[in-house]
Amino acid sequence: DIQMTQSPSSLSASVGDRVTITCRASHSIASYLNWYQQKPGKAPKVLIFAATNLQSGVPSRFSGSGSGTDFTLTISSLQPEDLATYYCQQGYSTPLTFGPGTKVDLK
Amino acid sequence: QVQLQESGPGLVKPSETLSLTCSVSGGSVSTNYWNWIRQSPNKGLEWIGFIYDTGSTVYNPSLKSRVTISVDMSKNQFSLRLNSMTAADTAVYYCARGQQLGRYWGQGILVTVSS
Repeated sequence: DIQMTQSPSSLSASVGDRVTITCRASHSIASYLNWYQQKPGKAPKVLIFAATNLQSGVPSRFSGSGSGTDFTLTISSLQPEDLATYYCQQGYSTPLTFGPGTKVDLK
Repeated sequence: QVQLQESGPGLVKPSETLSLTCSVSGGSVSTNYWNWIRQSPNKGLEWIGFIYDTGSTVYNPSLKSRVTISVDMSKNQFSLRLNSMTAADTAVYYCARGQQLGRYWGQGILVTVSS
């Protein structure tokens, strides 16, 4: 199985801050990496697919980068509605696997 | 617009079999990949498996001995059966579309294992 790790596990930031979350795969996954946002009681919502592609309807303050084993999700200017838990997920091989999540809250 | 909706019991007794159904609208279950995923506080998000090509399946090895995913094209639904349920299987269960997952997920259904 491909193991996914994320850092940090949680962070506190202010509105307007630039926020960066990193995700690492235990083996190369090329660009088969999705980023999700999840709010309490809701299903995960995809923000970025194939490592760098912004899902339609997602604000442009979200961006993704990376390939191989190291990936980054960036929120260029944190907004109150961005408070959530963020997960990475590899789609390179089965079993599909997820990172443990990064919880973002307000400082 | 593709929409998915899980249905089934919210409470299952230990050792019993869980049966869930995912109803799909806006797309056909005869094409694409159709997944089950679950989420618990202890294990996080865990992929259970998918069905594709109207009947081929791939399961997570960690659950393979207990899982069956099937499709009913006449109802445009696919289903999950998970046997020998224990408290460790208590989770929110989601259905979703896509070989690499992505955009289309159901809202989820909480399943509790308790006598």
